[in-house]
Amino acid sequence: DAKTTQPTSMDCAEGRAANLPCNHSTISGNEYVYWYRQIHSQGPQYIIHGLKNNETNEMASLIITEDRKSSTLILPHATLRDTAVYYCIVRLTVSGGGADGLTFGKGTHLIIQP
Amino acid sequence: DGGITQSPKYLFRKEGQNVTLSCEQNLNHDAMYWYRQDPGQGLRLIYYSQIVNDFQKGDIAEGYSVSREKKESFPLTVTSAQKNPTAFYLCASSPHRGGSYEQYFGPGTRLTVT
Repeated sequence: DAKTTQPTSMDCAEGRAANLPCNHSTISGNEYVYWYRQIHSQGPQYIIHGLKNNETNEMASLIITEDRKSSTLILPHATLRDTAVYYCIVRLTVSGGGADGLTFGKGTHLIIQP
Repeated sequence: DGGITQSPKYLFRKEGQNVTLSCEQNLNHDAMYWYRQDPGQGLRLIYYSQIVNDFQKGDIAEGYSVSREKKESFPLTVTSAQKNPTAFYLCASSPHRGGSYEQYFGPGTRLTVT
């Protein structure tokens, strides 16, 4: 699986868009980009994932560059409850498989300021 | 309510004792996982199971054992052979949807061994 690089921490003002970058320059053509977040002392929460196209759901948007070497998770209107550690994970997905666990690095600690 | 439950939330044991952590899911998911998290670190995979009566070692399986006798249950035993058992333990499950790594996590059990 490709290695990912994320900033250690970021601040964002409440109500503004939070943009979290992730570099994955060694990503291969059939590896997906997944984002999870973990609020302090809780289990991680799945946010979104994508392969090539930009994706949006009720929680966030995922923008993947055309060369797929980096991506950005966007929380459109950050609230204090979005303060958490955000993990960017790249994973090979095999048809019929995909059940052998994830590798979580240290992620980005996003702090939403009031 | 559908979800994953882990009990207890906090667990204290003396060194040399085995201890079993509970994980139950009512999401009808095929795959289940156990992760360990140390302070300030990401998650590391201990064991995973793709189907009943089958499980595989993850990255740090030494000193741990699991069973998968029922689809909804995946208990983890921390044995006395585990050198540094004090940690936050997280259980997760995933639908077997052709390769998705969309995992759903429980609230975690914080184990302290003295």
